[in-house]
Amino acid sequence: EDQVTQSPEALRLQEGESSSLNCSYTVSGLRGLFWYRQDPGKGPEFLFTLYSAGEEKEKERLKATLTKKESFLHITAPKPEDSATYLCAVHLNNAGNMLTFGGGTRLMVKP
Amino acid sequence: DAGVIQSPRHEVTEMGQEVTLRCKPISGHDYLFWYRQTMMRGLELLIYFNNNVPIDDSGMPEDRFSAKMPNASFSTLKIQPSEPRDSAVYFCASNNPAGDGYTFGSGTRLTVV
Repeated sequence: EDQVTQSPEALRLQEGESSSLNCSYTVSGLRGLFWYRQDPGKGPEFLFTLYSAGEEKEKERLKATLTKKESFLHITAPKPEDSATYLCAVHLNNAGNMLTFGGGTRLMVKP
Repeated sequence: DAGVIQSPRHEVTEMGQEVTLRCKPISGHDYLFWYRQTMMRGLELLIYFNNNVPIDDSGMPEDRFSAKMPNASFSTLKIQPSEPRDSAVYFCASNNPAGDGYTFGSGTRLTVV
């Protein structure tokens, strides 16, 4: 069965304290892995797509990486405005245009 | 670009009543998705359409749920009769296969009492 698991479920950081969020997947035929950010009361907002192992993408303080089994979202010197829930999702070869989401990591950055 | 527009933002209804949620996708996007989000189960895909045609409705929990897309700019998700366990945030998203990722609406928070 295809599975997407995110860890930790929640993470508290001090401002400036770098860390990483994990998204592990056991799927057959990965077409792409997506990262989204979700603020309270809003819909998920697209951040990155990764297509192949070894690929990396960056945006401001965020960098996403992909291996054959997992993806990391690295947050460098986070600020309080980075506080949000971060979701990963997989797009599979045999799943049309569907995305399957992990449970998310709730990130809180304290000043 | 106004993004994906959902209405209403909040809906409170009594058990047994019919509920209709609405979505306007981004113009030019030919895929439309309905997701439900709860604390327990996260984001779950209910149904998706391509060019107004339902492609996969395997996530629709019961016959009480139905979805339509009469044209490229409008979709509805209907629950009849509603039950307290249907309380959740319902998201609509649209996608252009040439682009990355989905664009989500702001969601409808449904509370069934």
